[in-house]
Amino acid sequence: AQSVAQPEDQVNVAEGNPLTVKCTYSVSGNPYLFWYVQYPNRGLQFLLKYITGDNLVKGSYGFEAEFNKSQTSFHLKKPSALVSDSALYFCAVRPMEYGNKLVFGAGTILRVKS
Amino acid sequence: GAVVSQHPSRVICKSGTSVKIECRSLDFQATTMFWYRQFPKQSLMLMATSNEGSKATYEQGVEKDKFLINHASLTLSTLTVTSAHPEDSSFYICSVRRGYEQYFGPGTRLTVT
Repeated sequence: AQSVAQPEDQVNVAEGNPLTVKCTYSVSGNPYLFWYVQYPNRGLQFLLKYITGDNLVKGSYGFEAEFNKSQTSFHLKKPSALVSDSALYFCAVRPMEYGNKLVFGAGTILRVKS
Repeated sequence: GAVVSQHPSRVICKSGTSVKIECRSLDFQATTMFWYRQFPKQSLMLMATSNEGSKATYEQGVEKDKFLINHASLTLSTLTVTSAHPEDSSFYICSVRRGYEQYFGPGTRLTVT
């Protein structure tokens, strides 16, 4: 079965510190990987994606993510967190063999404190 | 990217009534749109895939007769919650795919009293 795990329900970080939001996946084949952010009562905003190529991908608002095939991980990172980064973050994969449907992780709440 | 709008953003209805939610792709002709449901503090669950000019494909466990989907044009898909009940209260989000990426609408908060 295809699955995405975000092991942390919540991540707390001080403003200015680096942040990491973890994501691991279990899919067959080579998936496409995505990160989305959701603010309260809003839809999802696309942050970044990995399709192929360089394992380190850069996205919106200073976020980046590193694809690690051997560990089947796609952790989201940012060198210096902002209070405005506080939101709900979803990792998602689109397996090649699952009818092209996005599979979402459970989400991780990021709280950045000043 | 792609710009996706939804209307209404919030709706409150009485139990037993039907509610229609519109999803529009404003700058892209979408042959396929996706409808998701999100419960508080939970992830998105795919309900159905809406195909322009044909019947929607529903995920397992989603009642076709309760959640009617119509994708009449390349820019509009509608989700009608028929005979709504309090347990249908949720956040409904539509999405379009453009290339590798998928873009989401702002969501519709449905509250059934």
